[in-house]
Amino acid sequence: DSGVTQTPKHLITATGQRVTLRCSPRSGDLSVYWYQQSLDQGLQFLIQYYNGEERAKGNILERFSAQQFPDLHSELNLSSLELGDSALYFCASSAYQGGGETQYFGPGTRLLVL
Amino acid sequence: QQQVKQSPQSLIVQKGGISIINCAYENTAFDYFPWYQQFPGKGPALLIAIRPDVSEKKEGRFTISFNKSAKQFSLHIMDSQPGDSATYFCAASRNTGNQFYFGTGTSLTVIP
Repeated sequence: DSGVTQTPKHLITATGQRVTLRCSPRSGDLSVYWYQQSLDQGLQFLIQYYNGEERAKGNILERFSAQQFPDLHSELNLSSLELGDSALYFCASSAYQGGGETQYFGPGTRLLVL
Repeated sequence: QQQVKQSPQSLIVQKGGISIINCAYENTAFDYFPWYQQFPGKGPALLIAIRPDVSEKKEGRFTISFNKSAKQFSLHIMDSQPGDSATYFCAASRNTGNQFYFGTGTSLTVIP
């Protein structure tokens, strides 16, 4: 158990809909990263927040948005969903230890768009 | 553009053999190179990591070899076991608190 929690575990929805994925980082971690993992794309970095502020943006579509709240939990909003958005979505929080930054991944949310 | 290139995409090794996964990067500003292990249905978990000031780091059966001049690093799994069957990702990052760039992953199968 990494200490990072994600809800829901599974999500099935239809094209055109909007969903919200939730992530709670490990206690004390200020950074939250969101990743999309599909079969043919590996781990794609979407966005990073640090203590409530957006720090880095990766391959995140305009239909997707995220935020980090004062209690440090984060939400990833996916709208106008398309079949191709079906994937595993991971969040990770990070801590500096052992000479580098370790990312701790949550168990993921499996999204299926029908 | 893929910042970190990983090969092979899949690997099948006999129990007791050596598994080798390779990664290459372009950005010389990267200074931290972790490897993550992911089992089906789970999130990736840190396995071992190295900084470019050393050429090798060993933890149990897992070794990272780092070649700074070639901008390559590799993971060696000695005495591979069926329990090592998982997907392995290499990654690179620059300084602390910055974006991690992941390789595309290698699916390792260790057959008894």
